Amino acid sequence: RKEVEQDPGPFNVPEGATVAFNCTYSNSASQSFFWYRQDCRKEPKLLMSVYSSGNEDGRFTAQLNRASQYISLLIRDSKLSDSATYLCVVSVNNNDMRFGAGTRLTVKP
Amino acid sequence: ETGVTQSPTHLIKTRGQQVTLRCSSQSGHNTVSWYQQALGQGPQFIFQYYREEENGRGNFPPRFSGLQFPNYSSELNVNALELDDSALYLCASSLAVSPYEQYFGPGTRLTVT
Repeated sequence: RKEVEQDPGPFNVPEGATVAFNCTYSNSASQSFFWYRQDCRKEPKLLMSVYSSGNEDGRFTAQLNRASQYISLLIRDSKLSDSATYLCVVSVNNNDMRFGAGTRLTVKP
Repeated sequence: ETGVTQSPTHLIKTRGQQVTLRCSSQSGHNTVSWYQQALGQGPQFIFQYYREEENGRGNFPPRFSGLQFPNYSSELNVNALELDDSALYLCASSLAVSPYEQYFGPGTRLTVT
């Protein structure tokens, strides 16, 4: 079983749609959780951290369920510029971040 | 742009050769992490350097080694290259006080033939 698992997609949605991604992790000792975004042939960029209480940044909402060991990312009112691969990241300690394989999103006009 | 630079951009090597990849961290960042990203996969953690010492390592064999210099720049060395080493190699810099906020460089694409 992979340490961090994501549905690879692709998710093809129209502009303005709401889309949600889930990610599961296997190590119950994981302490920190993040979503990164990676555009085609570009480096990953931090999108947001995921806190136990859930957190929101504009159109993006991240939630953590420690009991079920999953993380979610919700994108509302999708824009064309949201098209990218979304990487779920889990860390047990300060120096070892485990990335999922990513979920590809395409937002169409 | 993150301010993290990597060189070279692309590299082609033959199986069995050795390679050195370079990374300059963002100004003020004292921690550098290296990742290997195979096609269609997420980045896999190789190791991290802090204050010129290895500060954690992923599941990579000893032929993957690194260095960090006093100016916080870093090198990744891979000996005895194998075909499966073909990948995008990413470095990411961060501050020790906020290790999770990592800024990635554009990567070096290594092809082993």
